[in-house]
Amino acid sequence: ELKVEQNPLFLSMQEGKNYTIYCNYSTTSDRLYWYRQDPGKSLESLFVLLSNGAVKQEGRLMASLDTKARLSTLHITAAVHDLSATYFCAVDAMRGYQKVTFGTGTKLQVIP
Amino acid sequence: ETGVTQSPTHLIKTRGQQVTLRCSSQSGHNTVSWYQQALGQGPQFIFQYYREEENGRGNFPPRFSGLQFPNYSSELNVNALELDDSALYLCASSLPGQMYQETQYFGPGTRLLVL
Repeated sequence: ELKVEQNPLFLSMQEGKNYTIYCNYSTTSDRLYWYRQDPGKSLESLFVLLSNGAVKQEGRLMASLDTKARLSTLHITAAVHDLSATYFCAVDAMRGYQKVTFGTGTKLQVIP
Repeated sequence: ETGVTQSPTHLIKTRGQQVTLRCSSQSGHNTVSWYQQALGQGPQFIFQYYREEENGRGNFPPRFSGLQFPNYSSELNVNALELDDSALYLCASSLPGQMYQETQYFGPGTRLLVL
């Protein structure tokens, strides 16, 4: 069964600092998603990574995928308070239909 | 706004009761997935419907069932509610013709509390 692990689970960082969230998964897949969730809200799609070596950037966030290492990273550059949220990675098990397994999430708190 | 709506927003039920949650997708989105998100956890895949048929299921018992209708709406039914069914239930839809869709559009969720 596909396992998706994120670390750290909690991250408190000061504004202006850089940090990376890691997402490891246990089986072959080249379809990985990053989502953001604000407290009490639904999920917002951030990035879709569809191949080995894929890199996507939006504002202060950059996501990459290494399918050989079964690893994705979400890098935060010069964090701002508005980035405070819970970030989930999710992997498509590709079983003939889209069965997406989510990680446990990383709760990010950016301190002004 | 994703164009995906869910109703009701909140619901309180007692153990043993049955509940129906509803989702309305964007026009043309013929794939819908349902997820259960317990407090402090990531969403867990319940099942997926494609063109009104279930085409994939996660590790949930048969008392979790669903329907998808031609008008791009869908339902999640849960029978014999248990306390552990208390969670946020999310539906997510995607564009047609994409078996491995690139983007899922999530609704705002229904928060279910079972007492």
